[in-house]
Amino acid sequence: DTAVSQTPKYLVTQMGNDKSIKCEQNLGHDTMYWYKQDSKKFLKIMFSYNNKELIINETVPNRFSPKSPDKAHLNLHINSLELGDSAVYFCASSLFSYEQYFGPGTRLTVT
Amino acid sequence: QKEVEQNSGPLSVPEGAIASLNCTYSDRGSQSFFWYRQYSGKSPELIMSIYSNGDKEDGRFTAQLNKASQYVSLLIRDSQPSDSATYLCAVVHSGGGADGLTFGKGTHLIIQP
Repeated sequence: DTAVSQTPKYLVTQMGNDKSIKCEQNLGHDTMYWYKQDSKKFLKIMFSYNNKELIINETVPNRFSPKSPDKAHLNLHINSLELGDSAVYFCASSLFSYEQYFGPGTRLTVT
Repeated sequence: QKEVEQNSGPLSVPEGAIASLNCTYSDRGSQSFFWYRQYSGKSPELIMSIYSNGDKEDGRFTAQLNKASQYVSLLIRDSQPSDSATYLCAVVHSGGGADGLTFGKGTHLIIQP
């Protein structure tokens, strides 16, 4: 019974394509997040979302958009993929803004 | 701009010794502090959280927080080879709402058998 799950685990695609990464949590948490870990292993917040607000890191291009069909899911849509989007993307969840638990990650490779 | 600073290492510690990891943060409004462990190719795993000044102990791990000095540390007692990993210090600014973690770049810890 995985707490935070993501699909797919690996995603290889070409520049210009549109792709989505799915995230689900079964912890009953009310807040979900997307993080990007670049090739230098630096982990950076992209979005945080609960049922009241969406907080977007100002450095995230508007080609990236989170979509939440319900409290247990926060999907990440990426349009017009670029080489620089290659990274590992982690989903996380928390209750309020306390301890965050991470999913296994999705390694995105753009060719 | 919120920043979290860590020595990138590598920090090499003999097995059985105490490993000491340090972190400083720039935003005085920060209220929640976390230590994550990340093995190569894996996701960050929460090992400690601390919210008030002082020490918090959990098994072989002790987190220390000094808000006046804007300093957080993690001590690992009786270090084991399995503790070899990258340790990430993370900070949340607000006390509520959907606020993400600001991470340091991590300290690579190596426990020598």
